[in-house]
Amino acid sequence: DGGITQSPKYLFRKEGQNVTLSCEQNLNHDAMYWYRQDPGQGLRLIYYSQIVNDFQKGDIAEGYSVSREKKESFPLTVTSAQKNPTAFYLCASRITDRGGAFFGQGTRLTVV
Amino acid sequence: AQTVTQSQPEMSVQEAETVTLSCTYDTSESDYYLFWYKQPPSRQMILVIRQEAYKQQNATENRFSVNFQKAAKSFSLKISDSQLGDAAMYFCAYRSGGWETSGSRLTFGEGTQLTVNP
Repeated sequence: DGGITQSPKYLFRKEGQNVTLSCEQNLNHDAMYWYRQDPGQGLRLIYYSQIVNDFQKGDIAEGYSVSREKKESFPLTVTSAQKNPTAFYLCASRITDRGGAFFGQGTRLTVV
Repeated sequence: AQTVTQSQPEMSVQEAETVTLSCTYDTSESDYYLFWYKQPPSRQMILVIRQEAYKQQNATENRFSVNFQKAAKSFSLKISDSQLGDAAMYFCAYRSGGWETSGSRLTFGEGTQLTVNP
């Protein structure tokens, strides 16, 4: 079945450690996105990528990094520089046409 | 930068009744797309409906319809015959229609929490 897979669903890390969240899609979509969602709030854009080997900063990119070496994969690294990393992270993808984006099931990151 | 505003943090509706969720946006572009997403307690984001700015006709998907007022930059969602399964957080979203990099940027509002009362 085609879709977007985020793993793991829950992730725990100690403060000061870098952590990488996985996002894989087999929809042959060109554009991919990472969003952060805090409790009771909307989605804030971290990074997005329109094509392989290219990505753009969103509104809250500080403390995060991404790579887009393959069309199917868009991993997000939460670095120790991110001051408040505990949040729900959503990955999405979209084919380059007039359609909407499709989302993964999210990763809940807790930093202790 | 484009902004999306949802002025109703919470709304409630009786089962089988109709409810309208509001959304306004700010843009200087003429070519863009608007979306409504639903996020139930599972937190899975589900695309409900979309509207292309160049189309004057309002989009409809079964019980969901929009009222798109381009001049007023307003994009409201109407849910008819509300069902218990409609209870969720609803997000309005904007995307530029350009093919350059900025055309990929997808911006969301803060969301409206909809409660459906039996």
